[in-house]
Amino acid sequence: EAGVTQFPSHSVIEKGQTVTLRCDPISGHDNLYWYRRVMGKEIKFLLHFVKESKQDESGMPNNRFLAERTGGTYSTLKVQPAELEDSGVYFCASSPGPRTNGYTFGSGTRLTVV
Amino acid sequence: AQKITQTQPGMFVQEKEAVTLDCTYDTSDPSYGLFWYKQPSSGEMIFLIYQGSYDQQNATEGRYSLNFQKARKSANLVISASQLGDSAMYFCAMREGWGASKIIFGSGTRLSIRP
Repeated sequence: EAGVTQFPSHSVIEKGQTVTLRCDPISGHDNLYWYRRVMGKEIKFLLHFVKESKQDESGMPNNRFLAERTGGTYSTLKVQPAELEDSGVYFCASSPGPRTNGYTFGSGTRLTVV
Repeated sequence: AQKITQTQPGMFVQEKEAVTLDCTYDTSDPSYGLFWYKQPSSGEMIFLIYQGSYDQQNATEGRYSLNFQKARKSANLVISASQLGDSAMYFCAMREGWGASKIIFGSGTRLSIRP
């Protein structure tokens, strides 16, 4: 079974530019989560999709961040315009459903805003 | 309020020794799950072990065991016979409820194994 895949693995962009991160969850996993770790600090939750619906977006920092999951398969996280403080590692995870102990993480996208 | 607390920012352990990484949590939900993840220098998050709040026995997975003390709200990870490849960041995490809601992480412990 393929794991959670994230693209790109690294991205370096200038302040003010737009970046789109992509996450392909494990096939059949209805739940998809975005997290980020900024400047070696804690891993912070961003949002949770159940299929194509946003179940919990309480962790989204501001309206420069837009997440989508059209069709309930892969998800994208767009940052527009990017700011210096957005630099960090963005992780995606997926899980199959309720009563689960299986959250599988991708390898992350390291975003550097210069 | 901090829900997951890892009080050891860094630890050094001699190879082949056992090591305990501390984790305390705070929740009022009687149903919850506790997780430990390993993040090596390559960056990926590797699931190690899971403990449900109603599980009667401590979880074990190979060299990993979770010392679950429910009354004290602690979920320490024990690694037996440490190896050089165990050097990594270790994160404790919790999910509240039985659904597929988000998990929240502690600040992590950087474990370094000395040869």
